[in-house]
Amino acid sequence: GAGVSQSPSNKVTEKGKDVELRCDPISGHTALYWYRQSLGQGLEFLIYFQGNSAPDKSGLPSDRFSAERTGGSVSTLTIQRTQQEDSAVYLCASSLGSYTFGSGTRLTVV
Amino acid sequence: QKEVEQDPGPLSVPEGAIVSLNCTYSNSAFQYFMWYRQYSRKGPELLMYTYSSGNKEDGRFTAQVDKSSKYISLFIRDSQPSDSATYLCAIQDLGGATNKLIFGTGTLLAVQP
Repeated sequence: GAGVSQSPSNKVTEKGKDVELRCDPISGHTALYWYRQSLGQGLEFLIYFQGNSAPDKSGLPSDRFSAERTGGSVSTLTIQRTQQEDSAVYLCASSLGSYTFGSGTRLTVV
Repeated sequence: QKEVEQDPGPLSVPEGAIVSLNCTYSNSAFQYFMWYRQYSRKGPELLMYTYSSGNKEDGRFTAQVDKSSKYISLFIRDSQPSDSATYLCAIQDLGGATNKLIFGTGTLLAVQP
């Protein structure tokens, strides 16, 4: 596609439920990043995928967070047993050099 | 100490003003510096990219890097209401395998018509 597509754009979930966030990167971009943007905190790196290499998960805040990238394309970020502090905008970016960000998924945990 | 610190703002300026946005960073090994612009409910988009020290100009925008003081700036001349957005400085960490970006917290700018 023309850009990075993320879905859903908004998600409200109850505390304790699991959520899945999807990212469709730009075709041909081998690198894919997930970031979290909380109010007043800037963008926090979560995870990085590059081709078929093992992902860099060093930014994941807890073991409730996981991500996968199927076929080197679509990526899914899963948050299990959501907590209120997980409320944030989750941004995906793909890259062949410079980053192109999607519009993000705004997650609200109530 | 955070790796990248950014003046939090918010800033409100009249149309036509010169705007100065600033960040400091801690690691003298950093070489690649960026400014992103983020409109409300959108993802960040790359505005300027600078390697090492010096100035880079693009239209009304000038990015400046002073590696001796670990200070980066973005200047906007003749600011317009359409410049109203959050501006994020970012540094690319080439020390690991990810080439991840390290972002400042962002400065919210409002240009009043």
